[in-house]
Amino acid sequence: QQPVQSPQAVILREGEDAVINCSSSKALYSVHWYRQKHGEAPVFLMILLKGGEQKGHDKISASFNEKKQQSSLYLTASQLSYSGTYFCGTEGPNTGGFKTIFGAGTRLFVKA
Amino acid sequence: NAGVTQTPKFRILKIGQSMTLQCTQDMNHNYMYWYRQDPGMGLKLIYYSVGAGITDKGEVPNGYNVSRSTTEDFPLRLELAAPSQTSVYFCASSYRAEGLSGNTIYFGEGSWLTVV
Repeated sequence: QQPVQSPQAVILREGEDAVINCSSSKALYSVHWYRQKHGEAPVFLMILLKGGEQKGHDKISASFNEKKQQSSLYLTASQLSYSGTYFCGTEGPNTGGFKTIFGAGTRLFVKA
Repeated sequence: NAGVTQTPKFRILKIGQSMTLQCTQDMNHNYMYWYRQDPGMGLKLIYYSVGAGITDKGEVPNGYNVSRSTTEDFPLRLELAAPSQTSVYFCASSYRAEGLSGNTIYFGEGSWLTVV
Protein backbone atom coordinates (compact mmCIF):
# COMPACT_ATOMS: atom_id res chain seq x y z
CA GLN A 1 0.00 0.00 0.00
CA GLN A 2 1.35 3.37 -1.04
CA PRO A 3 2.49 5.70 1.76
CA VAL A 4 0.70 9.03 2.01
CA GLN A 5 2.74 12.21 1.74
CA SER A 6 1.70 15.67 2.83
CA PRO A 7 1.60 18.38 1.81
CA GLN A 8 1.38 17.83 -1.95
CA ALA A 9 3.24 21.06 -2.65
CA VAL A 10 5.12 23.76 -0.78
CA ILE A 11 6.34 27.19 -1.85
CA LEU A 12 9.05 28.76 0.29
CA ARG A 13 11.25 31.80 0.26
CA GLU A 14 14.96 31.26 0.76
CA GLY A 15 15.73 30.80 4.42
CA GLU A 16 12.32 29.47 5.41
CA ASP A 17 11.71 26.03 6.89
CA ALA A 18 9.52 23.18 5.70
CA VAL A 19 8.29 19.83 6.98
CA ILE A 20 7.20 16.98 4.72
CA ASN A 21 5.32 14.07 6.22
CA CYS A 22 5.04 10.45 5.15
CA SER A 23 2.60 8.06 6.79
CA SER A 24 1.56 4.45 6.42
CA SER A 25 -1.52 2.53 7.49
CA LYS A 26 0.70 -0.22 8.94
CA ALA A 27 3.99 -0.49 10.78
CA LEU A 28 7.10 0.10 8.69
CA TYR A 29 10.48 -1.61 8.61
CA SER A 30 12.23 1.40 7.14
CA VAL A 31 11.70 4.74 5.45
CA HIS A 32 13.82 6.25 2.67
CA TRP A 33 13.83 9.83 1.46
CA TYR A 34 14.77 10.88 -2.08
CA ARG A 35 14.82 14.16 -3.99
CA GLN A 36 14.17 14.41 -7.70
CA LYS A 37 15.00 17.40 -9.86
CA HIS A 38 12.95 17.96 -13.00
CA GLY A 39 14.00 15.60 -15.78
CA GLU A 40 16.44 13.71 -13.57
CA ALA A 41 16.49 10.49 -11.60
CA PRO A 42 15.67 10.45 -7.87
CA VAL A 43 18.68 10.88 -5.60
CA PHE A 44 19.01 9.26 -2.18
CA LEU A 45 18.92 11.59 0.84
CA MET A 46 18.72 9.29 3.85
CA ILE A 47 17.25 6.13 5.28
CA LEU A 48 15.78 5.49 8.72
CA LEU A 49 15.63 1.99 10.11
CA LYS A 50 14.57 2.20 13.72
CA GLY A 51 11.68 3.73 15.57
CA GLY A 52 12.72 6.97 17.15
CA GLU A 53 15.68 7.34 14.82
CA GLN A 54 16.68 10.77 13.61
CA LYS A 55 19.22 11.57 10.94
CA GLY A 56 20.44 14.58 9.12
CA HIS A 57 23.14 16.27 7.12
CA ASP A 58 23.59 19.92 6.32
CA LYS A 59 20.18 21.42 7.01
CA ILE A 60 18.07 18.45 5.98
CA SER A 61 17.06 15.95 8.61
CA ALA A 62 14.42 13.31 9.17
CA SER A 63 12.74 11.40 11.96
CA PHE A 64 11.01 8.05 12.07
CA ASN A 65 8.25 7.51 14.55
CA GLU A 66 7.70 3.78 14.28
CA LYS A 67 4.69 3.69 16.56
CA LYS A 68 2.91 6.30 14.57
CA GLN A 69 3.98 4.65 11.34
CA GLN A 70 5.23 7.90 9.96
CA SER A 71 8.33 9.83 9.07
CA SER A 72 8.98 13.52 8.65
CA LEU A 73 11.60 15.31 6.57
CA TYR A 74 12.77 18.68 7.90
CA LEU A 75 14.35 21.29 5.65
CA THR A 76 15.69 24.27 7.54
CA ALA A 77 16.92 27.59 6.18
CA SER A 78 15.95 26.44 2.70
CA GLN A 79 18.17 27.17 -0.28
CA LEU A 80 17.28 27.51 -3.96
CA SER A 81 18.96 24.14 -4.54
CA TYR A 82 16.37 22.45 -2.33
CA SER A 83 13.72 22.86 -5.02
CA GLY A 84 12.45 19.59 -6.43
CA THR A 85 10.09 16.76 -5.63
CA TYR A 86 10.65 14.79 -2.45
CA PHE A 87 9.60 11.16 -2.23
CA CYS A 88 9.41 8.87 0.73
CA GLY A 89 9.86 5.17 0.10
CA THR A 90 8.67 2.62 2.60
CA GLU A 91 9.22 -1.03 3.34
CA GLY A 92 6.97 -3.05 5.58
CA PRO A 93 4.37 -5.77 5.82
CA ASN A 94 2.05 -3.65 3.75
CA THR A 95 4.49 -3.78 0.86
CA GLY A 96 4.71 -7.54 0.91
CA GLY A 97 8.29 -7.85 1.99
CA PHE A 98 11.48 -6.08 1.09
CA LYS A 99 10.38 -4.01 -1.82
CA THR A 100 10.24 -0.24 -1.69
CA ILE A 101 7.00 1.54 -2.48
CA PHE A 102 7.05 5.29 -2.99
CA GLY A 103 4.59 7.99 -2.06
CA ALA A 104 3.15 10.38 -4.62
CA GLY A 105 5.73 13.04 -3.82
CA THR A 106 5.82 16.56 -2.39
CA ARG A 107 6.78 19.36 -4.75
CA LEU A 108 8.96 21.97 -3.11
CA PHE A 109 9.70 25.29 -4.76
CA VAL A 110 12.12 27.70 -3.14
CA LYS A 111 12.17 31.23 -4.50
CA ALA A 112 14.63 34.01 -3.90
CA ASN B 1 31.57 4.61 -12.14
CA ALA B 2 28.81 3.47 -14.49
CA GLY B 3 26.28 2.51 -11.77
CA VAL B 4 22.90 1.70 -13.32
CA THR B 5 22.75 2.07 -17.10
CA GLN B 6 19.51 2.11 -19.08
CA THR B 7 18.96 2.07 -22.82
CA PRO B 8 17.41 3.56 -24.84
CA LYS B 9 17.02 7.01 -23.31
CA PHE B 10 14.18 7.98 -25.64
CA ARG B 11 11.83 5.88 -27.75
CA ILE B 12 8.61 6.38 -29.65
CA LEU B 13 6.49 3.28 -30.18
CA LYS B 14 3.37 2.71 -32.19
CA ILE B 15 0.36 1.10 -30.55
CA GLY B 16 0.71 -2.67 -30.61
CA GLN B 17 4.48 -2.71 -31.04
CA SER B 18 6.76 -4.44 -28.55
CA MET B 19 10.13 -3.45 -27.21
CA THR B 20 12.66 -4.19 -24.50
CA LEU B 21 14.19 -1.64 -22.16
CA GLN B 22 17.67 -2.72 -21.20
CA CYS B 23 19.16 -2.24 -17.74
CA THR B 24 22.53 -3.23 -16.39
CA GLN B 25 24.33 -2.47 -13.14
CA ASP B 26 27.99 -2.91 -12.27
CA MET B 27 27.74 -2.68 -8.48
CA ASN B 28 27.07 -6.39 -7.86
CA HIS B 29 23.72 -5.53 -6.32
CA ASN B 30 21.32 -8.38 -5.63
CA TYR B 31 18.09 -6.34 -5.84
CA MET B 32 16.94 -4.72 -9.06
CA TYR B 33 13.73 -2.82 -9.77
CA TRP B 34 11.71 -1.26 -12.55
CA TYR B 35 9.61 1.80 -11.73
CA ARG B 36 7.47 3.93 -13.99
CA GLN B 37 6.72 7.59 -13.45
CA ASP B 38 3.85 9.24 -15.29
CA PRO B 39 4.08 13.01 -15.88
CA GLY B 40 3.82 14.90 -12.61
CA MET B 41 3.25 11.73 -10.64
CA GLY B 42 5.13 9.47 -8.26
CA LEU B 43 7.08 6.28 -8.83
CA LYS B 44 5.16 3.06 -9.31
CA LEU B 45 6.90 -0.30 -8.91
CA ILE B 46 6.41 -2.57 -11.94
CA TYR B 47 8.59 -5.59 -11.14
CA TYR B 48 11.51 -6.32 -8.91
CA SER B 49 14.11 -9.05 -8.50
CA VAL B 50 15.93 -10.25 -5.40
CA GLY B 51 18.59 -12.12 -7.36
CA ALA B 52 19.34 -13.93 -10.59
CA GLY B 53 16.45 -16.16 -11.61
CA ILE B 54 13.98 -14.61 -9.15
CA THR B 55 11.45 -11.94 -10.07
CA ASP B 56 8.20 -10.74 -8.56
CA LYS B 57 5.38 -8.36 -9.39
CA GLY B 58 5.15 -4.87 -8.05
CA GLU B 59 2.19 -2.45 -8.00
CA VAL B 60 1.58 -2.19 -11.76
CA PRO B 61 2.89 -5.30 -13.59
CA ASN B 62 0.20 -5.67 -16.26
CA GLY B 63 1.52 -5.30 -19.80
CA TYR B 64 5.13 -5.94 -18.82
CA ASN B 65 7.49 -8.88 -18.42
CA VAL B 66 10.94 -9.18 -16.92
CA SER B 67 13.72 -11.70 -16.63
CA ARG B 68 16.87 -11.84 -14.54
CA SER B 69 19.32 -14.32 -16.00
CA THR B 70 22.40 -12.61 -14.55
CA THR B 71 23.13 -10.43 -11.53
CA GLU B 72 23.96 -7.49 -13.79
CA ASP B 73 21.03 -7.39 -16.21
CA PHE B 74 17.30 -6.83 -15.70
CA PRO B 75 15.50 -6.13 -19.00
CA LEU B 76 11.87 -4.96 -19.10
CA ARG B 77 9.72 -6.18 -21.97
CA LEU B 78 6.66 -4.26 -23.15
CA GLU B 79 4.26 -6.39 -25.13
CA LEU B 80 1.59 -4.80 -27.33
CA ALA B 81 2.33 -1.21 -26.36
CA ALA B 82 -0.63 0.98 -25.38
CA PRO B 83 -0.87 4.78 -24.91
CA SER B 84 -1.30 4.17 -21.17
CA GLN B 85 2.30 2.94 -21.10
CA THR B 86 3.61 6.37 -22.07
CA SER B 87 5.85 7.16 -19.14
CA VAL B 88 9.38 7.53 -17.86
CA TYR B 89 10.86 4.21 -16.83
CA PHE B 90 13.53 3.99 -14.16
CA CYS B 91 15.63 0.96 -13.51
CA ALA B 92 17.23 0.79 -10.08
CA SER B 93 19.36 -1.48 -7.95
CA SER B 94 20.35 -1.96 -4.34
CA TYR B 95 22.27 -4.31 -2.11
CA ARG B 96 20.39 -5.96 0.69
CA ALA B 97 21.99 -8.34 3.15
CA GLU B 98 20.02 -11.45 4.10
CA GLY B 99 17.16 -10.72 6.46
CA LEU B 100 17.79 -7.00 6.72
CA SER B 101 15.55 -4.23 5.54
CA GLY B 102 16.56 -0.82 4.42
CA ASN B 103 19.09 -0.08 1.73
CA THR B 104 20.01 2.73 -0.64
CA ILE B 105 18.39 2.46 -4.05
CA TYR B 106 20.45 3.69 -6.99
CA PHE B 107 18.49 4.82 -10.02
CA GLY B 108 19.38 4.85 -13.68
CA GLU B 109 18.88 8.05 -15.66
CA GLY B 110 15.51 6.99 -17.00
CA SER B 111 14.01 5.99 -20.34
CA TRP B 112 11.38 8.26 -21.86
CA LEU B 113 8.81 6.17 -23.74
CA THR B 114 5.96 7.56 -25.83
CA VAL B 115 3.31 5.30 -27.35
CA VAL B 116 1.35 6.84 -30.23
